[in-house]
Amino acid sequence: EDQVTQSPEALRLQEGESSSLNCSYTVSGLRGLFWYRQDPGKGPEFLFTLYSAGEEKEKERLKATLTKKESFLHITAPKPEDSATYLCAVQAPETDSWGKFQFGAGTQVVVTP
Amino acid sequence: GAGVSQSPSNKVTEKGKDVELRCDPISGHTALYWYRQSLGQGLEFLIYFQGNSAPDKSGLPSDRFSAERTGGSVSTLTIQRTQQEDSAVYLCASSQFSGPSYEQYFGPGTRLTVT
Repeated sequence: EDQVTQSPEALRLQEGESSSLNCSYTVSGLRGLFWYRQDPGKGPEFLFTLYSAGEEKEKERLKATLTKKESFLHITAPKPEDSATYLCAVQAPETDSWGKFQFGAGTQVVVTP
Repeated sequence: GAGVSQSPSNKVTEKGKDVELRCDPISGHTALYWYRQSLGQGLEFLIYFQGNSAPDKSGLPSDRFSAERTGGSVSTLTIQRTQQEDSAVYLCASSQFSGPSYEQYFGPGTRLTVT
């Protein structure tokens, strides 16, 4: 069965302390890999879509990269407002229905001042 | 503009009762998705709609779960004979186009508690 695994489960950072989150997947024929941010009590908020190995996207202090089997979300010089749970999701492969997405369990990030 | 809305925001029901959860997608979004999120867990895919049709219902946990979408807009997720393990947050999302790889916009969710 295809799997999406995120690590670490939780991450506590000092403000300004850069770090990376990992999302590994076993899906073959990846259509797309997505990163979302989820704040407590709210629905996920879209951050990035990556389609092919070697692709990188940036938004403010966040940078997402993709290899053939994993993706990284790099947080550079984080601020307390970056505290959230970060979710990655993999779209079903070409052999399956396009609208099916498999989410990882998320990495809960806490940034302290 | 208006985002995805869901109602009710909270629902407490007794075991064995039926519940209906509603999702209003962003206007013009042709794709609509339902997910379930249990405490501390990631999102579990349930079903998606392309227009009014659901091409793949394999994510629904049991035949007690059903969903429909009318007029290419509002969708209802129905859970019959609710069980305690159905307690979770049910999230709805929509995306602008039917087709591959489009970002999803999520609603705030409906928290369902089965007592």
